[in-house]
Amino acid sequence: DVKVTQSSRYLVKRTGEKVFLECVQDMDHENMFWYRQDPGLGLRLIYFSYDVKMKEKGDIPEGYSVSREKKERFSLILESASTNQTSMYLCASSSGQGGQETQYFGPGTRLLVL
Amino acid sequence: QQPVQSPQAVILREGEDAVINCSSSKALYSVHWYRQKHGEAPVFLMILLKGGEQKGHDKISASFNEKKQQSSLYLTASQLSYSGTYFCGTEFGGNEKLTFGTGTRLTIIP
Repeated sequence: DVKVTQSSRYLVKRTGEKVFLECVQDMDHENMFWYRQDPGLGLRLIYFSYDVKMKEKGDIPEGYSVSREKKERFSLILESASTNQTSMYLCASSSGQGGQETQYFGPGTRLLVL
Repeated sequence: QQPVQSPQAVILREGEDAVINCSSSKALYSVHWYRQKHGEAPVFLMILLKGGEQKGHDKISASFNEKKQQSSLYLTASQLSYSGTYFCGTEFGGNEKLTFGTGTRLTIIP
């Protein structure tokens, strides 16, 4: 079974802090994704990565950056957290074989920025 | 472009049927369906690739219209375990990047 793990289930940070959200997958997947989930808005793509050290902006990249130094690990960084970044953050991975590939999701990190 | 999902919410009694729709203004490469139970990660249900395709397992099935702009998810004889939020994820170019709808919250009551 594919396993996607996220470093924290719940996180509380203060405005202006630098926040790191970590995601690890154990299936040698090429692709990794970061989404945020807000009520009524569904899942919105922040960034994704097709390979190590490669990244592409999703639909809402503002205020976020990412890092992928190793294939299995994809980090989401909030350079200076703001209250409007309070949300549920979901990481996902897929094999990268080209189309028709399932995305496997982690359990999510619920971030509260005070 | 985010697909339009409808309805936003539906409440059913056990044994009743439900249909959830997902529409795009442009033709799609594929559509993926996921279910998310409260407090859990979204879980993959199925993917449709071909216009006119219908597929399913158990009492959950889905269709993809000929123009590949609309998909519907069918839940028949619903069970309590079907409760959750259903999302469609649409793919335009075969690059595995999905754009998700806003979700349909399904509540099954005894």
